[in-house]
Amino acid sequence: DGGITQSPKYLFRKEGQNVTLSCEQNLNHDAMYWYRQDPGQGLRLIYYSQIVNDFQKGDIAEGYSVSREKKESFPLTVTSAQKNPTAFYLCASSILAGRTDYGYTFGSGTRLTVV
Amino acid sequence: GEDVEQSLFLSVREGDSSVINCTYTDSSSTYLYWYKQEPGAGLQLLTYIFSNMDMKQDQRLTVLLNKKDKHLSLRIADTQTGDSAIYFCAEAPDTGFQKLVFGTGTRLLVSP
Repeated sequence: DGGITQSPKYLFRKEGQNVTLSCEQNLNHDAMYWYRQDPGQGLRLIYYSQIVNDFQKGDIAEGYSVSREKKESFPLTVTSAQKNPTAFYLCASSILAGRTDYGYTFGSGTRLTVV
Repeated sequence: GEDVEQSLFLSVREGDSSVINCTYTDSSSTYLYWYKQEPGAGLQLLTYIFSNMDMKQDQRLTVLLNKKDKHLSLRIADTQTGDSAIYFCAEAPDTGFQKLVFGTGTRLLVSP
């Protein structure tokens, strides 16, 4: 079955550490997205990518980095520069870059906690 | 930036109808969506409506669109406890690369 896989489901980070969240899709979707979800604040866009080797900052990119070396993969690194990283992170993809007829397909999320 | 607005919380009894409302921002939006998020999970697309439609029905779900007021609603008939979740509306502004803009989410609690 096609879908988006995020791993790990739970992640704990110590102060000052960088951590990388994985997102893999086998839907042959062109575009991929990373969102951060905090209670009562909905979804905020961190980064998005329309094609391989290209990505753009979203609304809250500071303290995060991404890469898109393969169409299927869009990992997110939460760096030590992100001062408040504890949140639920969601990865999504869409079928064609710039086309939203079918909406987004979401992964099941990674809950990151700073300890 | 402008926000897609939703009320934060709705509580209903099992068997009643639920109506979740959303006010979106961009009159050029081509598609409007409703997503459901269960605890600890990702978002699941429930339904969507194209901007030239006023209403769309899909089993227990009815979506109403008022373009003049930029108002979208989701009605769930015969609400069940399994419908308890957070519901997000989202719009797709027709400006360049179409990124969905999500509302803040409405938490629906269905009591027996």
